[in-house]
Amino acid sequence: GQSLEQPSEVTAVEGAIVQINCTYQTSGFYGLSWYQQHDGGAPTFLSYNGLDGLEETGRFSSFLSRSDSYGYLLLQELQMKDSASYFCAVRDDSSNDYKLSFGAGTTVTVRA
Amino acid sequence: DAGITQSPRYKITETGRQVTLMCHQTWSHSYMFWYRQDLGHGLRLIYYSAAADITDKGEVPDGYVVSRSKTENFPLTLESATRSQTSVYFCASTKDRTLYTFGSGTRLTVV
Repeated sequence: GQSLEQPSEVTAVEGAIVQINCTYQTSGFYGLSWYQQHDGGAPTFLSYNGLDGLEETGRFSSFLSRSDSYGYLLLQELQMKDSASYFCAVRDDSSNDYKLSFGAGTTVTVRA
Repeated sequence: DAGITQSPRYKITETGRQVTLMCHQTWSHSYMFWYRQDLGHGLRLIYYSAAADITDKGEVPDGYVVSRSKTENFPLTLESATRSQTSVYFCASTKDRTLYTFGSGTRLTVV
């Protein structure tokens, strides 16, 4: 099976930078994804890392190190609308499986 | 409109009743999933499907049944609802197993 660990809460002020770490254990790692979920809403896709390194999409970046079983999501120039829960997720391709397993989520609170 | 839709958005049912949550997607994605979300547990996988007539159990399948007779539909049935099944249920689909798109969710309360 898979297990993922990420911090439960992070608080920061507008304009700041927040890094959400995610460590994972899985038998057949395929890729690490990040999803954002606002209160009462559906999770929405943010980024995917299949290979080591940094992927940048606007104010958000995601990093993966497969040798360390570790990744992070970097939120820059924080805005109030970034207050949400952020989930890391891994796809395990052992036995040609295709399910996506999620961490428990990190609640990011942005203060004025 | 194209997308993935869940119905109903809200449902209250009594313990012991059978209830079915609907999920419909218009993209013809092969892969579909059902998750439940509870405080402190994130998203937990109930059942998933690679194609019509192919389904697999996820992490928490007990008390649930799925079917997939058509690619676009993936209904989830609670055979005899229990209070522990009070949760928010999300359906998701993907074409490439990289980007998963979620429905708006069904908030189910079992009383």
